[in-house]
Amino acid sequence: KAGVTQTPRYLIKTRGQQVTLSCSPISGHRSVSWYQQTPGQGLQFLFEYFSETQRNKGNFPGRFSGRQFSNSRSEMNVSTLELGDSALYLCASSLQGAESIWDKNIQYFGAGTRLSVL
Amino acid sequence: KQEVTQIPAALSVPEGENLVLNCSFTDSAIYNLQWFRQDPGKGLTSLLLIQSSQREQTSGRLNASLDKSSGRSTLYIAASQPGDSATYLCAANSGNTPLVFGKGTRLSVIA
Repeated sequence: KAGVTQTPRYLIKTRGQQVTLSCSPISGHRSVSWYQQTPGQGLQFLFEYFSETQRNKGNFPGRFSGRQFSNSRSEMNVSTLELGDSALYLCASSLQGAESIWDKNIQYFGAGTRLSVL
Repeated sequence: KQEVTQIPAALSVPEGENLVLNCSFTDSAIYNLQWFRQDPGKGLTSLLLIQSSQREQTSGRLNASLDKSSGRSTLYIAASQPGDSATYLCAANSGNTPLVFGKGTRLSVIA
């Protein structure tokens, strides 16, 4: 069974540009979460999607957005990039029930997309 | 608001030693606690998940315990090997909230 796939693995952008990252979850997983990892802040939650609906959102500005498609694949977009957006962006998928979305479910992480903003 | 702390931030041990990594959390009303391993520049690999009703979980040389009353979890690694060198992260979730991660313990096992 294939794991969580994130593309691209590496990206270099300049300030002011926008970027789209992609995440394909494990087959059968309906929940996809996105995290930002930086040396200073550690892992911080961005948002979570389940059945094409955003169910949770972290404390990030509106420049960060996402969506999920009917096949559970997810994309996140960052507009007007800033130097501080340089980070490793991680996607995780899990089997989620309709209720108690975090209970008893293991999250499986992709290898991440490393974004560098110059 | 859940906060997760991991001590120490870094640890270096000789090969063969048994070691304990510590994780503390502020909200004892957690659903589960998960331990992850992260190799440099890579994603996270789930090691163990302890549900709130459990006290410990074991996988090979790894044993994780959970004490909700004291807000602590420990990851015990037996007979450490150089291949165990990585950053170990713990994460807690409380109800319908996302995982809250600690900043990790960077482990170096010296041959």
